[in-house]
Amino acid sequence: DTGVSQDPRHKITKRGQNVTFRCDPISEHNRLYWYRQTLGQGPEFLTYFQNEAQLEKSRLLSDRFSAERPKGSFSTLEIQRTEQGDSAMYLCASSLAMGGGQETQYFGPGTRLLVL
Amino acid sequence: DAKTTQPPSMDCAEGRAANLPCNHSTISGNEYVYWYRQIHSQGPQYIIHGLKNNETNEMASLIITEDRKSSTLILPHATLRDTAVYYCIVRVAGFSGGYNKLIFGAGTRLAVHP
Repeated sequence: DTGVSQDPRHKITKRGQNVTFRCDPISEHNRLYWYRQTLGQGPEFLTYFQNEAQLEKSRLLSDRFSAERPKGSFSTLEIQRTEQGDSAMYLCASSLAMGGGQETQYFGPGTRLLVL
Repeated sequence: DAKTTQPPSMDCAEGRAANLPCNHSTISGNEYVYWYRQIHSQGPQYIIHGLKNNETNEMASLIITEDRKSSTLILPHATLRDTAVYYCIVRVAGFSGGYNKLIFGAGTRLAVHP
């Protein structure tokens, strides 16, 4: 399968613990996005990378959240000191931006986080 | 990005065409219309996009009105597997940061029944 993959698919943790999610984009895609989706809502943008550079962060991304894309390939999203309000589906998407044209984002299956 | 308006829910009989409308009356000339769908507990799936011409691919057809203020996604022969939330999104085509995130609304929940 050459689509976007995410790991783990499900995570249950206790409040106060740290969690880390991984996203592997489609090979050669230079842009990578993170979104969060709570029950009954559409996905909300968190942050995005152009290669290894993090170019935009949403106000939703509090200082407990950090994302990296160290070599411009896979990305990790870490949440420190989790809170119950962090319970959500975390979605990763990737795209190939070639300049001056259209850009289609392809999503992974998501990581569902439950904070107890 | 321009805001979109979609009906919250629709029903369709299996085998019939499903026509999902979307209003985007404040769309700008350089904004594309994108459609995604999300089947329960899965990530959003790209369906189709267009600027001003009608588009067709193996999944669906996209009809954009001449004034570009509305569009319709057509699933020509809906199956039970097409039951999902469908999102209509308008976004600028560009290379600079800040214009590339997708802004999802509530979408249309399509139920295909036997």
